[in-house]
Amino acid sequence: QQQVKQSPQSLIVQKGGISIINCAYENTAFDYFPWYQQFPGKGPALLIAIRPDVSEKKEGRFTISFNKSAKQFSLHIMDSQPGDSATYFCAASIPWNAGNMLTFGGGTRLMVKP
Amino acid sequence: DAGVIQSPRHEVTEMGQEVTLRCKPISGHDYLFWYRQTMMRGLELLIYFNNNVPIDDSGMPEDRFSAKMPNASFSTLKIQPSEPRDSAVYFCASSLLSISGNTIYFGEGSWLTVV
Repeated sequence: QQQVKQSPQSLIVQKGGISIINCAYENTAFDYFPWYQQFPGKGPALLIAIRPDVSEKKEGRFTISFNKSAKQFSLHIMDSQPGDSATYFCAASIPWNAGNMLTFGGGTRLMVKP
Repeated sequence: DAGVIQSPRHEVTEMGQEVTLRCKPISGHDYLFWYRQTMMRGLELLIYFNNNVPIDDSGMPEDRFSAKMPNASFSTLKIQPSEPRDSAVYFCASSLLSISGNTIYFGEGSWLTVV
């Protein structure tokens, strides 16, 4: 599997602050970049995703920024809330390849303090 | 839709025992994945199936691990004999290959502890 590198490993943010998680990839064939959110005791669930034909996608307080030339993408959580405390995984896949098999980053444990 | 269903949710077993984890994918999905999650290694893909056929098992750590998918609605991951280092959360996931859908859906996981 091609590697997807994620940073930081952990992040503490005050309520109302901005959480930023970064990912970098190597395989230029990747064409789909989702972020998954995992709460304790649960499986990962799709949060938001982007394709490289756009540089930004926003859904509510969550925004993905994508830099194709740098092969980097990031998740921004605006007005972070304690309920956002979870582990976040970036991922990448080649659509139509292996059922959208995902290559995951190492995960970021986010804690939002009240 | 009930989502991906896994059982058991929690399993504690002694070293050397056989462990069988079960998964029911979302109806109609044609891909099924088994992942393992540990603090040290994160999420690792163990094996995946397409239309019940194993496609890539290169992530299976060793011969003690085996997986089957006898039909479209059921899969098992078996560890025999189990070892303490197999302690992890095992996730089953499924997806439907389509031009618009790229979402892989995960179950809630099977938490395995081998003592």
